[in-house]
This record gives sequence, structure tokens and C-alpha cells, in this order.
Amino acid sequence: EAGVVQSPRYKIIEKKQPVAFWCNPISGHNTLYWYLQNLGQGPELLIRYENEEAVDDSQLPKDRFSAERLKGVDSTLKIQPAELGDSAVYLCASSLDPTREQYFGPGTRLTVT
Amino acid sequence: QKEVEQNSGPLSVPEGAIASLNCTYSDRGSQSFFWYRQYSGKSPELIMSIYSNGDKEDGRFTAQLNKASQYVSLLIRDSQPSDSATYLCAVKNNAGKSTFGDGTTLTVKP
Repeated sequence: EAGVVQSPRYKIIEKKQPVAFWCNPISGHNTLYWYLQNLGQGPELLIRYENEEAVDDSQLPKDRFSAERLKGVDSTLKIQPAELGDSAVYLCASSLDPTREQYFGPGTRLTVT
Repeated sequence: QKEVEQNSGPLSVPEGAIASLNCTYSDRGSQSFFWYRQYSGKSPELIMSIYSNGDKEDGRFTAQLNKASQYVSLLIRDSQPSDSATYLCAVKNNAGKSTFGDGTTLTVKP
């Protein structure tokens, strides 16, 4: 069974430029998460989807970040415009339901210069 | 105070010893508890999940949960150098909200 797929794996952009990350969860997993992880810290939740509905986006900086999960399968996270402080690893995870274990994709390492 | 607290370490143990990793949480509505291992430059990998009080064993790993004390731990028996990594504690409440600690770095010395 394929795991969580993310692309790209690495991205380097200049500040003020837009960037987008894509995630395809494990087949059959209704819950999808986007996390941000800084060095030396644990993952911080940005947004959680149940099917196509965003049920927890309280930590998503909505002035520059947006996300969508059309058809309740794959998802895209966008930053526009990017700032230097956005440099981090962006992780996507999925689970069968909200109470169960999450499985992570390989992440996208974003560097904003 | 963070919702999920872990000692940052580093925790160093000799090869073959027992490594003990601890985690406390503040949300009494927490229902599900998980331990993840994260190697440098890699994404978190699930090791154990535990949902009820007591111990749960899987190979060399034992998770222990005490909801009254809001405490969950991970024991690694017969520690190997390949166990050297950061261990993340994660907690989910009954609304599905997921919170991670900042991890404990474990080094197993040959």
C-alpha cells in the first residue's frame, strides 16, 4: 500500500513569491493534516480536513496561507506571498479517522531567501 | 505551558540498556496517545499507539499510559544504536485535535 505522497520534496524561493505544496493521502484515509515543523520542534498543526471540510484551521495564517481539498482526496497548501519566517518543513499526514494514528509523508523543505 | 511536554534531552544510554522517555499532557479530554520516531532529516514514523490505561508492548517497545496522572511513557528495551533519534509524543482529544510535543533526543552509545 502506498504511503502519503508529497511534492515537491524541496523548494527554494525568494521572499514575496508564491509557493504551493501537494499531498495525496493514503487511500481510504478521510482525515488529512497539514503541519509545519521548525528545527528542534514538534509538528504544529496548520489545518485538518475531514473529507473535503476544513474542521480545524485555527492555526492557519489566513492572510497568506490557503488550503483546499477538493473531492476529499488530495490537497494543496499555498503560501502567497512567502516570508523569510516561512522557511520550515511542511508535513502532510493522513488517518482513517480523527482519533486514530496519523501517517506522515516525506515532507517539503521550504527555504525562503 | 505547552499542552504536551517532553524533556528535550539529550538522553544518552549505552547499547543494550533500557531507554525511558516521558510525556505529560494538559488536556483531560485527551483520548488517543502516540509515539513517533523521527530521524534527522526524515518525517515522523509511528512506533506505538495507546488508547487505554496500562501497558502496551510491541517487540522491544512498551508504551505506558496513566490518564489520572496525565502521563504517557515509552520504554525501549535492549537499546540499539539504530534507535538514536528524536521521539515525539502526540496526543489527540475527543474532538480529534492533535498536539505534538517537541520531542526527546535519544542517543544510544555502542
